[in-house]
Amino acid sequence: GAGVSQSPSNKVTEKGKDVELRCDPISGHTALYWYRQRLGQGLEFLIYFQGNSAPDKSGLPSDRFSAERTGESVSTLTIQRTQQEDSAVYLCASSFLTSTPEQFFGPGTRLTVL
Amino acid sequence: GENVEQHPSTLSVQEGDSAVIKCTYSDSASNYFPWYKQELGKRPQLIIDIRSNVGEKKDQRIAVTLNKTAKHFSLHITETQPEDSAVYFCAANTGFQKLVFGTGTRLLVSP
Repeated sequence: GAGVSQSPSNKVTEKGKDVELRCDPISGHTALYWYRQRLGQGLEFLIYFQGNSAPDKSGLPSDRFSAERTGESVSTLTIQRTQQEDSAVYLCASSFLTSTPEQFFGPGTRLTVL
Repeated sequence: GENVEQHPSTLSVQEGDSAVIKCTYSDSASNYFPWYKQELGKRPQLIIDIRSNVGEKKDQRIAVTLNKTAKHFSLHITETQPEDSAVYFCAANTGFQKLVFGTGTRLLVSP
């Protein structure tokens, strides 16, 4: 089947606006992760969903960031009142936990806040 | 929580040389150590991984070694080629399935 997909691929917004980023995981993958990658930097963990368990939100940098996931499907990352320092590539990954911890990454959404 | 350190941050080699990237981790409970390759503008992709019950794993020109006692693991690329040029990230699991990534190594292979 298809890999992890993300939309939009690019998003340009003005400072102070809200944005929503979408992730479609691989079908059947129970775990879903969001990461932030600033230009030339590493992968910064944001949030992790596993089945119906409470999400691990320990990486969210501020209360302007939130995420939801419907069951074991689509997830949306929302950034409210965007700031210029939010500019980055936001990567989503999913994994099938019962067999291997390998995370499969989506192509990312490049967010630019003007 | 888990902390993963990765060295060097940049590595330049001549085509055909070997390249070694090293990582250390802090959580002795970690038992899964993947390596991801990220080409410019692309998504990270798993190239090799190792579990704590194994000391070494090879796949063609790449190999990973793990020293549980010292809490470090390394990626070895032999006979490097220009297409090996990319950023490489190591990671270690924390808890059941969360990964903590190193800061990345930019590998440049010159023809």
